[in-house]
Amino acid sequence: DAGVTQSPTHLIKTRGQQVTLRCSPISGHKSVSWYQQVLGQGPQFIFQYYEKEERGRGNFPDRFSARQFPNYSSELNVNALLLGDSALYLCASSLELGQGIGEQYFGPGTRLTVT
Amino acid sequence: EDQVTQSPEALRLQEGESSSLNCSYTVSGLRGLFWYRQDPGKGPEFLFTLYSAGEEKEKERLKATLTKKESFLHITAPKPEDSATYLCAVRLSGGSYIPTFGRGTSLIVHP
Repeated sequence: DAGVTQSPTHLIKTRGQQVTLRCSPISGHKSVSWYQQVLGQGPQFIFQYYEKEERGRGNFPDRFSARQFPNYSSELNVNALLLGDSALYLCASSLELGQGIGEQYFGPGTRLTVT
Repeated sequence: EDQVTQSPEALRLQEGESSSLNCSYTVSGLRGLFWYRQDPGKGPEFLFTLYSAGEEKEKERLKATLTKKESFLHITAPKPEDSATYLCAVRLSGGSYIPTFGRGTSLIVHP
């Protein structure tokens, strides 16, 4: 079975521009989460979606938004890009949300560089 | 204050030299502790989930253990291919299913 897929793999944008990142979860997985990982640090939680509803939001500005589609794929949008948004953006999927079955499986990430 | 602390930040071992990585957490109500391996420029790879003190999980040369306040990832007779960053994450009580990650331990195993 295919794992979590993300597109694009790399992206270079200019300050002030907008970007959309895409994620397809493992088949059968209903939950998708987005993380930002700056070099040398652990992933920081941005959003979690389950059954197309937002179930959690991290401490990120309103410039960050996301959605989940009926096929459980997801998009992360970032408006008015800042240099500090440069990072590896990770998508993770899990089967359900409940304890005992909540292990998350990560995609390869999208490397965003803002110049 | 960080809720999840990993130590050491970096570790260099000779091939075959066993060691342990530490993950400590400062909050109560643990609903799961997760270990991941991350290679440079790639997404984390899920290794283990631990839920209660005394629990142990093993996979090849890796063994994860959990106490009430910390977890250890033991690496027995490591090989160069075990070189990676090892991340620990905890999921806390209170209805949130969101894990909090530590900063990771960068492991380099020399041949």
